[in-house]
Amino acid sequence: AQSVAQPEDQVNVAEGNPLTVKCTYSVSGNPYLFWYVQYPNRGLQFLLKYITGDNLVKGSYGFEAEFNKSQTSFHLKKPSALVSDSALYFCAVTDMDDYKLSFGAGTTVTVRA
Amino acid sequence: SQTIHQWPATLVQPVGSPLSLECTVEGTSNPNLYWYRQAAGRGLQLLFYSVGIGQISSEVPQNLSASRPQDRQFILSSKKLLLSDSGFYLCAWGFGAPPEAFFGQGTRLTVV
Repeated sequence: AQSVAQPEDQVNVAEGNPLTVKCTYSVSGNPYLFWYVQYPNRGLQFLLKYITGDNLVKGSYGFEAEFNKSQTSFHLKKPSALVSDSALYFCAVTDMDDYKLSFGAGTTVTVRA
Repeated sequence: SQTIHQWPATLVQPVGSPLSLECTVEGTSNPNLYWYRQAAGRGLQLLFYSVGIGQISSEVPQNLSASRPQDRQFILSSKKLLLSDSGFYLCAWGFGAPPEAFFGQGTRLTVV
């Protein structure tokens, strides 16, 4: 079975400060990890993914995520947050043989001006 | 390029009425298709997925069913809606395993 935990329901940061959204995972095989963002009443937008290779993955809108196998984590980061980054962020995991993504409960990010 | 269409955007239905939500994908062939439900604006629950025409896997037994009558068409249905069926329904498509899912804009269903 695969699962994802996003330990923080909410993250609040000031504009211009670094942003981190935490994610830990559990999967039986090699993990394949994803981050999505959702704006109110909209579908999810893909941000980035880790399949293999470099542990630091760069994605859309200046976001990046670091895969840490020993800590089973895949935290999302942005060096300088914008007010427009305020949204709901989802981490997801699957393994190579699965057609399904398992999503975390989501973290609401609020960036204040 | 590939696009996914999901409609309607919002729907208000009385308890006991039927439901049909439709999702279509353009610009690709034989995609994996998914229906998710998001309750209270938070976590996503996978309801159904399909890896081919007529092949439906159900993740959570409930008052809903899904069908894939054509390669790029995925339909979510109910014969009789319950209040608990209210939520935000998201269709998604992806390729192979592991999948990278691409989502539609969602349908906000309110059962009254």
